[in-house]
Amino acid sequence: GAGVSQSPSNKVTEKGKDVELRCDPISGHTALYWYRQSLGQGLEFLIYFQGNSAPDKSGLPSDRFSAERTGGSVSTLTIQRTQQEDSAVYLCASSLFSSERGGLNTGELFFGEGSRLTVL
Amino acid sequence: AQSVTQPDIHITVSEGASLELRCNYSYGATPYLFWYVQSPGQGLQLLLKYFSGDTLVQGIKGFEAEFKRSQSSFNLRKPSVHWSDAAEYFCAVGQMKTSYDKVIFGPGTSLSVIP
Repeated sequence: GAGVSQSPSNKVTEKGKDVELRCDPISGHTALYWYRQSLGQGLEFLIYFQGNSAPDKSGLPSDRFSAERTGGSVSTLTIQRTQQEDSAVYLCASSLFSSERGGLNTGELFFGEGSRLTVL
Repeated sequence: AQSVTQPDIHITVSEGASLELRCNYSYGATPYLFWYVQSPGQGLQLLLKYFSGDTLVQGIKGFEAEFKRSQSSFNLRKPSVHWSDAAEYFCAVGQMKTSYDKVIFGPGTSLSVIP
């Protein structure tokens, strides 16, 4: 697509429910990132995908959080048994992997509009 | 591990005044550095980036930033601020390896502009 697409844009759920957040990156971008932005906070790194593999899962806050990416494209971030502290905007970004950039447009992340999650 | 600090949580400047937003990073090798802006209700947009070469880089909207290796800094500047520059500004450092890339963001600086 033309840009990074995230869905849903808004999600209100009850504590204890599971939620799935979807990210559709820019076509051809092999690198995909998930960040979390809490109210008044910066961007907290959650996980990074290179293709379908996740070489860095160090930012996932707990084992309730998981993410997968299939076909080197769409990614899903799943939060199980949601808690109120999970309320935040979840941002997805994609980019070209460094070895594919050919020295041009190196490293720029293209962000989606985010999915705002509210846990009641 | 790489990290980014932005010492100023919030800055207020008058329209037409100059602006400098501070950014310090911690990284073992030469970093790739970025500044992003997030306007109210908008997504994040890249302002400028540094990878190598000239340490003074120009970006969009009249912004520039200077990489100072000795100070581990990458401060953002603008000579004359416009009311539309009110936004959240994020500094980021990239860790570009052959096996994977990783970009870490600072906590952000919120800019208010007084007419």
